[in-house]
Amino acid sequence: GAVVSQHPSWVICKSGTSVKIECRSLDFQATTMFWYRQFPKQSLMLMATSNEGSKATYEQGVEKDKFLINHASLTLSTLTVTSAHPEDSSFYICSASDDGGTEAFFGQGTRLTVV
Amino acid sequence: GQSLEQPSEVTAVEGAIVQINCTYQTSGFYGLSWYQQHDGGAPTFLSYNALDGLEETGRFSSFLSRSDSYGYLLLQELQMKDSASYFCAVMDSSYKLIFGSGTRLLVRP
Repeated sequence: GAVVSQHPSWVICKSGTSVKIECRSLDFQATTMFWYRQFPKQSLMLMATSNEGSKATYEQGVEKDKFLINHASLTLSTLTVTSAHPEDSSFYICSASDDGGTEAFFGQGTRLTVV
Repeated sequence: GQSLEQPSEVTAVEGAIVQINCTYQTSGFYGLSWYQQHDGGAPTFLSYNALDGLEETGRFSSFLSRSDSYGYLLLQELQMKDSASYFCAVMDSSYKLIFGSGTRLLVRP
């Protein structure tokens, strides 16, 4: 199957700083990638749809100025958590499908801890 | 609104069969998927149903009834390694995956 690589797998940052998470499709091109957030023992909540070459589409309740998404190429999308606060601590996961296929391939996830 | 309902927890013994149900209400529907997630890991794809009926993949099978907005995941010959969370997910008309709340499966010896 297709491979999606996410980096870093975990990060600890100080409150008020920004953190960038990368999501790469390694062996296919993805015009669309998705970013999810998951709190412990909860479901994956879709944050935004990342579109190559255009602005991301954010889900209701997600602050676009806080969670900056850039999809500069067909294989890379980045999520930047700006001015992070402890409540932003969570598991962030990206996914992509190969040519709009029905199977979503997930990155390894990034565990963010804001102290 | 969009919602997917599934049981929060299921417990079964090794070697048994377990069925995890999912009912959904979404804006647009392209198909129902199932994903497995072990603690601390990323979700992995198990199955996808676009049409009514049963899809079988080894020990796992998935069923869909579009008219009932209902599906289930069937796990046979349970193994300890099957202990994980299982999520149903609907691909809506925007090709977004909307996930259910997840079912934690505990397999006991």
